[in-house]
Amino acid sequence: GAVVSQHPSRVICKSGTSVKIECRSLDFQATTMFWYRQFPKQSLMLMATSNEGSKATYEQGVEKDKFLINHASLTLSTLTVTSAHPEDSSFYICSARGQGTATNEKLFFGSGTQLSVL
Amino acid sequence: GQQVMQIPQYQHVQEGEDFTTYCNSSTTLSNIQWYKQRPGGHPVFLIQLVKSGEVKKQKRLTFQFGEAKKNSSLHITATQTTDVGTYFCAGPPGDNDYKLSFGAGTTVTVRA
Repeated sequence: GAVVSQHPSRVICKSGTSVKIECRSLDFQATTMFWYRQFPKQSLMLMATSNEGSKATYEQGVEKDKFLINHASLTLSTLTVTSAHPEDSSFYICSARGQGTATNEKLFFGSGTQLSVL
Repeated sequence: GQQVMQIPQYQHVQEGEDFTTYCNSSTTLSNIQWYKQRPGGHPVFLIQLVKSGEVKKQKRLTFQFGEAKKNSSLHITATQTTDVGTYFCAGPPGDNDYKLSFGAGTTVTVRA
């Protein structure tokens, strides 16, 4: 099946710094990628939809200036957590739709990034 | 907006027993997908159901999509320790919406 690579898998940073997380589709082109946030023992909360070549679409309540998303190519989307604070500590997961334009395409998930802000 | 609910939130099962987890949507779904997340891992796609009343099997796992396309179930027979993890159902809220709304998940633990 399709592979989505996410890096880094774990990052610890100081409060006030910015952290970039990369999400790559390795063997397929992903025009759309999704960024989720997951708190311990909770479900996946969609943060934003990343569209190649255009601005990301953010879900209600998600600060677009806080979570910068760039989808510069068909295989790469990045999420930058700017001026990170301890409350931003969480598990961030990206996913990509399978090829095709059907609305029922399944998602392939990256392995996730555990962000800890001190 | 659409809400996807799953029950139970936790399922503690004796090895070898069967159990069922349920998924209910507040709106009709064009399709429903199930994912499994092992402890410390990321969600992995299990299956997709599209047709009303559809039933699909994967070895000991049986997935069903309701007639009204608003609910689904996952039934596992003869539970094994490899079944440990959280099972999420997810579905797009509308025919033209490709974003998936995830349920809260059912976390399964197995006692040997």
